[in-house]
Amino acid sequence: NAGVTQTPKFQVLKTGQSMTLQCAQDMNHNSMYWYRQDPGMGLRLIYYSASEGTTDKGEVPNGYNVSRLNKREFSLRLESAAPSQTSVYFCASSGVPGQVGFYSNQPQHFGDGTRLSIL
Amino acid sequence: GESVGLHLPTLSVQEGDNSIINCAYSNSASDYFIWYKQESGKGPQFIIDIRSNMDKRQGQRVTVLLNKTVKHLSLQIAATQPGDSAVYFCAEKGANYGQNFVFGPGTRLSVLP
Repeated sequence: NAGVTQTPKFQVLKTGQSMTLQCAQDMNHNSMYWYRQDPGMGLRLIYYSASEGTTDKGEVPNGYNVSRLNKREFSLRLESAAPSQTSVYFCASSGVPGQVGFYSNQPQHFGDGTRLSIL
Repeated sequence: GESVGLHLPTLSVQEGDNSIINCAYSNSASDYFIWYKQESGKGPQFIIDIRSNMDKRQGQRVTVLLNKTVKHLSLQIAATQPGDSAVYFCAEKGANYGQNFVFGPGTRLSVLP
């Protein structure tokens, strides 16, 4: 089925370790996003990529880096994990399939998340 | 179960009744709004959207109402079913970060048998 696929689904890290969260979409969307979701709070944007070749900071970018590997894939890296980064991470994509450019009035389609615990 | 959604407001409805979930938004210039459903352990799922040039939009068993005067959005679910139990949250198009969405924390809908 078409959609957004995230790996891994669960991960436990020790403080100071690094890891990369992977995301791929097969809807031919131009834009991709990384969010974190914490209890009782709305989704908060970490980084986004409006189109292939561009990335921009969101609301909470500190401690993270991203790579838009190609149109399909957008990865999130934690260089030195901290307990405050314990969260559920969601990747999303949006756009008009096959169209170039950033379409802001389009719903975002989400993966099922990566549950990350940092000890 | 999933720990996301702790301390959320909860709406409990009887199976078969109608549900109304409310959301206040902050950006008076926002021209696009979305409702999402999130089941335990899953990612948010798109339900319905509405643009600011509309007051009402209907889907299958769902209706979204937009009141721009008081910056209020509501989601109505007709004939609520057990499968509707989830966290529902609204998203408004924001003014920052490439006009990305600002998400509310959500309301937990619990359907009673």
